[in-house]
Amino acid sequence: KNEVEQSPQNLTAQEGEFITINCSYSVGISALHWLQQHPGGGIVSLFMLSSGKKKHGRLIATINIQEKHSSLHITASHPRDSAVYICAAPRSGGSNYKLTFGKGTLLTVNP
Amino acid sequence: DTEVTQTPKHLVMGMTNKKSLKCEQHMGHRAMYWYKQKAKKPPELMFVYSYEKLSINESVPSRFSPECPNSSLLNLHLHALQPEDSALYLCASSPRDRMFGRASYEQYFGPGTRLTVT
Repeated sequence: KNEVEQSPQNLTAQEGEFITINCSYSVGISALHWLQQHPGGGIVSLFMLSSGKKKHGRLIATINIQEKHSSLHITASHPRDSAVYICAAPRSGGSNYKLTFGKGTLLTVNP
Repeated sequence: DTEVTQTPKHLVMGMTNKKSLKCEQHMGHRAMYWYKQKAKKPPELMFVYSYEKLSINESVPSRFSPECPNSSLLNLHLHALQPEDSALYLCASSPRDRMFGRASYEQYFGPGTRLTVT
C-alpha cells in the first residue's frame, strides 16, 4: 500500500462540473500539500494545509487530520483546469521535511 | 518577490558536456531542494541544502554536483550524464518555521528545467 494514495488516477469531466480528488496518507505530520502540474510544465503549489479548509478562487481543499484524508474540490471546472493534481505529505527528515508524493490524478476537462 | 526561478527552461547536452542548472529565490528561505521528475512520475528528492550546507543527499550519482554559493542561489552542476538522466529538474525552497527554528514543511516550487541528454 502506498503511503500517499490518490483517487481517482484519471478523471474526465465536462466544463462546469464539480470535481473532487481524494488523498489518503499514512505517513508524515498532520499537514498536506496540493500541487498542480500542467502537461510539460513545472509544479505550482495550490495549498498547504494542516487543518480545516482553504479556498482560493474556484479551488477548495479540506483536510481531516484524524482520518488522514484530504480532498481537493474544483467548482465550475474549466478546460484550463486540465492538469495533474498531486498531493504530498511532509515527513521529518532530520532538520528538514521530505515530501512523500502521491502518484497524481490526471484531470481532463472537456469544453 | 514570492517566486522561485530556474534557468535555463530547456537544456540539451551531450554525454561529454558540462553544464549547470540555476535556481534562485529572494524570499529569505534558508532551505532549498533539488528534485528530479521523470515523465508521468512524481518528483524524486535529490538534495537538500539548509543554511547553505548540504543536509540531505539521496544517494545521487556523483555526476550531479550541487552547490549553494549563497542563501538565494542553488546550482546543480552536470557532468558526464547519461540519456536516462533526461528529466524535468525542479528546485524548491522552504521558509523557516518560526516556532521550531527549522525549515517549514511548506515548499515553494520553481517551474523546472527540462533536460535532454543525447
